[in-house]
Amino acid sequence: GNSVTQMEGPVTLSEEAFLTINCTYTATGYPSLFWYVQYPGEGLQLLLKATKADDKGSNKGFEATYRKETTSFHLEKGSVQVSDSAVYFCALSIGFGNEKLTFGTGTRLTIIP
Amino acid sequence: DAMVIQNPRYQVTQFGKPVTLSCSQTLNHNVMYWYQQKSSQAPKLLFHYYDKDFNNEADTPDNFQSRRPNTSFCFLDIRSPGLGDAAMYLCATSRDSSGKLAGGPQETQYFGPGTRLLVL
Repeated sequence: GNSVTQMEGPVTLSEEAFLTINCTYTATGYPSLFWYVQYPGEGLQLLLKATKADDKGSNKGFEATYRKETTSFHLEKGSVQVSDSAVYFCALSIGFGNEKLTFGTGTRLTIIP
Repeated sequence: DAMVIQNPRYQVTQFGKPVTLSCSQTLNHNVMYWYQQKSSQAPKLLFHYYDKDFNNEADTPDNFQSRRPNTSFCFLDIRSPGLGDAAMYLCATSRDSSGKLAGGPQETQYFGPGTRLLVL
């Protein structure tokens, strides 16, 4: 079956630090990969996505590259801000009529000033 | 500007008392989803509608039902809530214009803010 394994949290960093949140996946077929962010008390927002191998998704200073050889989609940001504090979910879906998103367990990120 | 709206944001119900959560969307998307998210866990898909076609996940309890009277609205009905059903319930929508069997990259799912359900 399909699954997503995410770096366990919580993660606490100082402002302007470099961020990496690891994500690896197992999938049958050719998945699309996503990072969603959930701010306190809110629903999920799409942060970035990549739909095929070697694609790089980017948004708001965050980046992730679809690595088929290592089945990974690690999230990175060069300089985090307090406003980045949230829970981050890695997810995948398989096309061909399967609309289901399979999520990782989420990583809580706290940025301290 | 709200695209996926969920009401209410917080819902309190009694053990065994039926409750309905609502979701509406202004995106005119043809696919709508309901997820259950328990504390510190990933969202878990309960079911989704592709247009009017209902698709239930194999492990979704019978206690959970859904209705979609039109494109814009979708409801989650919990017939007899138990304490274990206390969770955040997330509605999401997506647009699939390629046809269900046509394949291709997954369309982005847009989530509402969620309804937090408390069962007393």
